[in-house]
Amino acid sequence: ETGVTQSPTHLIKTRGQQVTLRCSSQSGHNTVSWYQQALGQGPQFIFQYYREEENGRGNFPPRFSGLQFPNYSSELNVNALELDDSALYLCASSPGTGGREQYFGPGTRLTVT
Amino acid sequence: GESVGLHLPTLSVQEGDNSIINCAYSNSASDYFIWYKQESGKGPQFIIDIRSNMDKRQGQRVTVLLNKTVKHLSLQIAATQPGDSAVYFCAENPREDSSYKLIFGSGTRLLVRP
Repeated sequence: ETGVTQSPTHLIKTRGQQVTLRCSSQSGHNTVSWYQQALGQGPQFIFQYYREEENGRGNFPPRFSGLQFPNYSSELNVNALELDDSALYLCASSPGTGGREQYFGPGTRLTVT
Repeated sequence: GESVGLHLPTLSVQEGDNSIINCAYSNSASDYFIWYKQESGKGPQFIIDIRSNMDKRQGQRVTVLLNKTVKHLSLQIAATQPGDSAVYFCAENPREDSSYKLIFGSGTRLLVRP
């Protein structure tokens, strides 16, 4: 069984640019959540997708957007990057109605200069 | 606002001893809790979960205790090993909406002395 995978591993962008991060959920999982983890802090919930629909959103501005595909993989898009967007972005998948536990991928380290 | 906090930012234990990591949560509506282990440069790793209709749940070398009266959660690790050294997070699902979003605390670093 393949776990949650994310790409790319690391990314360096300039302020004002746009970025797309990708996540493949664990086999059999239909729910994907995205989190932002600043250095030395716990992850913060960005949003969640269930069967291609947004199913909950945290306190993040609209320039953070997402997408889930029919195969349950997902993208996180961030427009107009700011320096404070530098963080580890984590994707987690869960069975959805089959269970609430969330399994995380290794994350994408985004640096905005 | 809602928060999940940890009492001890760093815990140092001798190899072989038992470790106890504590966590306080503020949302009485939360009905599901998870403990995660995060090693440097990696994503959080699921350890154990517990629902609010339970007081205790055991896994392999780990036990989670939930005290809803004082909104307190703890993770006990038996016979702590060097491989247990990591940052540990507790997380709660406040069930404010249909999502299963998790609210994390800032974490406790566990250091295991050989």
